Amino acid sequence: ETGVTQSPTHLIKTRGQQVTLRCSSQSGHNTVSWYQQALGQGPQFIFQYYREEENGRGNFPPRFSGLQFPNYSSELNVNALELDDSALYLCASSLRRGQAWNEQFFGPGTRLTVL
Amino acid sequence: GENVEQHPSTLSVQEGDSAVIKCTYSDSASNYFPWYKQELGKGPQLIIDIRSNVGEKKDQRIAVTLNKTAKHFSLHITETQPEDSAVYFCAVPPGYSTLTFGKGTMLLVSP
Repeated sequence: ETGVTQSPTHLIKTRGQQVTLRCSSQSGHNTVSWYQQALGQGPQFIFQYYREEENGRGNFPPRFSGLQFPNYSSELNVNALELDDSALYLCASSLRRGQAWNEQFFGPGTRLTVL
Repeated sequence: GENVEQHPSTLSVQEGDSAVIKCTYSDSASNYFPWYKQELGKGPQLIIDIRSNVGEKKDQRIAVTLNKTAKHFSLHITETQPEDSAVYFCAVPPGYSTLTFGKGTMLLVSP
């Protein structure tokens, strides 16, 4: 186990609704990244938060937004849900020190189904 | 942006055989190359990684080799066991914040 937890485990929403997913990072980590994994695909980078600020964003529309809190936990918010948003949402935490790449530890994910 | 291709998409082997999965990438500036294993219902787990200053790294039955000139790196699993059955992903960081993943290889190890 990585020490990264996510909630809820599963979620069912209808098109047009809004959803908030939560992530608690591994102790001592200061960076959280969010990924979307569609069925049968590799994870796709949504954005990263470092010290409570967005620090990089993938090719996702503005209705995908996030927050990082002082304890380094994070939320992913998705507005105006679309059917294509159905996926596994993964959170990964890491300890950023300078510009070197550091290992990302993934949580178990939240399975979102949009009907 | 970074383009990552992974082959094969599925790989079936008998227990005890070796398995090799190859990943090619496009951004020559990349210098960190991880491999992840994802079991059903779980998040990806890092199993081995390599940095650009070495060509090979081994950890028990798992090894990764890197050819920066050709822009590819490979995962090698020897003496495969049924518990090695999972989806394996390579990834490349085009920057300091993102990981670009391959599409994955489903490895099936038959007893």
